[in-house]
Amino acid sequence: DTGVSQNPRHKITKRGQNVTFRCDPISEHNRLYWYRQTLGQGPEFLTYFQNEAQLEKSRLLSDRFSAERPKGSFSTLEIQRTEQGDSAMYLCASSSRDRGLQETQYFGPGTRLLVL
Amino acid sequence: AQSVTQPDIHITVSEGASLELRCNYSYGATPYLFWYVQSPGQGLQLLLKYFSGDTLVQGIKGFEAEFKRSQSSFNLRKPSVHWSDAAEYFCAVSPSRTGFQKLVFGTGTRLLVSP
Repeated sequence: DTGVSQNPRHKITKRGQNVTFRCDPISEHNRLYWYRQTLGQGPEFLTYFQNEAQLEKSRLLSDRFSAERPKGSFSTLEIQRTEQGDSAMYLCASSSRDRGLQETQYFGPGTRLLVL
Repeated sequence: AQSVTQPDIHITVSEGASLELRCNYSYGATPYLFWYVQSPGQGLQLLLKYFSGDTLVQGIKGFEAEFKRSQSSFNLRKPSVHWSDAAEYFCAVSPSRTGFQKLVFGTGTRLLVSP
């Protein structure tokens, strides 16, 4: 079990540019979540995948944001036409359900985005 | 409104002293409850979780938490704090016990450990 990995760990971009982040979940986990964390706040839910299907999206996820999880393995989060307000830590978590239908989410190290 | 409250933004504790971090939630039914810890610039590490059963749960690094239904609380405790415990601590709840289980986080409590 190598844990959840995220790349890149840091990204600096100029306003208006597109950025893409990658998340590799724990291999046997079929559920994958994206969260966003701004300074001084707790993480906020963005979107959820079960296998390759994106089943839930937060209102925080504007039209400039898109997420995919092809083949139910790794996931990407793309932000188009970045704005300074997009500066945040983007966290990925993966989980699977146990026999009691309970799940525990394990987080990656995050990608810190700075939009200049 | 449904929410998770961590009333203490910062707490300073002397090394070796005991620690209690508060967490209250506001949901109609008892959610699943979690505590995570985050070191600067890092992701979140799970400390412990409560789904059901014994209301006192043990976690990693010597932490424990007690679920009190009557107070809608899930406070985190440690009998003796070490300097390496300095970090930000987040209480989280999963309001849904079925379907997808997104986490709702409190705003966090930053723990400072003094010598």
